[in-house]
Amino acid sequence: QLQLQETGSGLVKPSQTLSLTCVVSGGSISSAGYSWSWVRQPPGKDLEWIGYIFHSGRIYYNPSLKSRVTISADTSKNQFSLSLSSLTAADTAVYYCASIKSLNAYNFFDSWGQGALVTVSS
Amino acid sequence: DIQMTQSPSSLSASVGDRVTITCRASQSISDYLNWYQQRPGKAPKVLIYAASTLQSGVPSRFSGSGSGTDFTLTISSLQPEDFATYYCQQSYSNPLTFGPGTKVDIK
Repeated sequence: QLQLQETGSGLVKPSQTLSLTCVVSGGSISSAGYSWSWVRQPPGKDLEWIGYIFHSGRIYYNPSLKSRVTISADTSKNQFSLSLSSLTAADTAVYYCASIKSLNAYNFFDSWGQGALVTVSS
Repeated sequence: DIQMTQSPSSLSASVGDRVTITCRASQSISDYLNWYQQRPGKAPKVLIYAASTLQSGVPSRFSGSGSGTDFTLTISSLQPEDFATYYCQQSYSNPLTFGPGTKVDIK
């Protein structure tokens, strides 16, 4: 059973950059059949997919955030990271890391971290 | 982008009730549709993937159906632990998108 844990800054000033890391245990991020994703949820609002990185290193971003987002992976530490720049109050949200499992071409968010609240405020 | 809608946005029900939630996609997504349950303060948990496949460990009172643009999640007999918010999500194409959620609370 995969376990994911987010770490990183909880309070960030406007215009600055958010940095979060997701440490994965119980499996390798290099495993075929999985990709590694970030999803956010503003307080009381909907879930928004940010992007994901495949075990191969291929990356996809949500076009709505693409100009500000970077997702990377460190296989030696079995972790992946999120960077989101030019922050505004609208980026205040709980940020989840999650694994996406692929089964016979069907993909779904399989395991989730507990979530990290990031508040953008001066 | 594929837009997902859900109805109702909220509902009140009693333990033992049969509950049905509807999800609609703005274009055909075949059966690339997943359902999640989110309890307050917790991360979402997958219930159903590929529209109708029950994820391992999920109680059999949950079921999913549909294909194309219209989908349903049914809880056959609501239990106390089922009071939560339910989201659909399409995995047909990027960007991955979620529905706005249906909150199920106690009548």
